Formats: sequence, structure tokens, C-alpha cells
Amino acid sequence: QVQVRESGPGLVRPTGTLSLTCVVSGGSISGTNWWGWLRQSPGKGLEWIGEIYHSGAVNYNPSLKSRLRISVDNAQNQFHLNLTSVTAADTAVYYCVRVLQNIGYWYDAWGLGTLVTVSS
Amino acid sequence: EIVLTQSPATLSLSPGDRATLSCRASQNIDSDLGWYQQKPGQAPRLLIHDASNRASGIPARFSGSGSGTDFTLSISSLEPEDFAVYYCQQRHNWPPWTFGQGTKVEMK
Repeated sequence: QVQVRESGPGLVRPTGTLSLTCVVSGGSISGTNWWGWLRQSPGKGLEWIGEIYHSGAVNYNPSLKSRLRISVDNAQNQFHLNLTSVTAADTAVYYCVRVLQNIGYWYDAWGLGTLVTVSS
Repeated sequence: EIVLTQSPATLSLSPGDRATLSCRASQNIDSDLGWYQQKPGQAPRLLIHDASNRASGIPARFSGSGSGTDFTLSISSLEPEDFAVYYCQQRHNWPPWTFGQGTKVEMK
């Protein structure tokens, strides 16, 4: 059974860079599935950040695209989120997910989530 | 961007009651709608995909229906563990994929 788990700093300074890693276990990241990041804040609910395929192909939310980079490390079976120039509005619980191809690309596996607070 | 509007915001029911949750899309999304359940302190869990297909391991009391712009999630007989927040999500037009604002099913 595939599991995903987020890790990274819980506190980021304003104007800094938010960096998170998602480790995939129980299966290979190099299959037919995509992998994604979402976030949830009290003010905005669930927000789609972006998705990546093991080839490196990415889809980004246009509202974040200028600050966002999602990358994949097939050897380590993990993928990464980098969000630059953060503000308090980026404070949220960040989730990594598996986007399961054989049911039409829905989020069937979620990490526990990691709270990232942007504050000085 | 497709906007999903969920109603009601809160549903107050008792165990054993039937729950009916609505999700309306701002434009046609065919059957490209999913439903997720989220309990406090937990990540969302996929319940329904493609409007009416139960995800793996989801009990039969959960069912989804609808197409186009109007969708419904029904819980035939509420169990104590079903009291949670439910979100709909569309995967028809992107970017971005979007979610509804959620419906909280609370115990009366």
C-alpha cells in the first residue's frame, strides 16, 4: 500500500522560501501516476498547488506559478515543493498526494499534512 | 476557473438519518467530480470519483450522483464516524483543479 509523507520546516520567514519534501513508500514514484501538492488554510479551504510526473512534467496553479517549483527525485522516490517569496498568506497545512491514474487521476493517498507558518 | 458551491454549509443530523449534500459547478463538468471526507486533524479521504464511483474500501452507504453542473453525495444512514466535513472537487477544466468550500455534517 502506497504511503506518502511530508517533511520540512514548520516556520518560514516572510520573503523566504518554503521547501517541503514528500517521501513515497510502498511503491515506485516511477509509474503511471502523478504526484501532487495541495494546501489548506482556514481562509481559503483546500487549494491545488501543482502536480508532477516522474518524467519531470509539471502542472502548476497559475496563481502560484511565478513562485513555484515542483521537482522529482526518482532515485530517492521523493518529490519536492519550493515556494519562494512567501507571505503570511502562504501559511497553511501542506499535503502531498498520489494522483491515481487508474481511477481517473483522483487523490487516493494523502500524507498526514505538515503545518507551515510564515512569520518573523 | 470553475467554481464549486456546496450546500448547505452545515447539516445537523442524528445517527441513522439520511444525509444529502449538494455541489454545484459554475459550468458543465460532465461527471468529473469527486467527493472527499475530512475529520478533524486528519487529511481528506477520497470517497467518490467520477461523480458516482465509490473509491476502494468505501462503505456502500456512501453514494454519489449527478452530472453536468449539479451533484449530490448521499449517506444512507449516518454512522457516528461519518460526522465530518465533506468537500467536492472537479477535474474537468484546469488549471486549476478546484474544490468546494465544504459541508460540515454535525451531530444534532
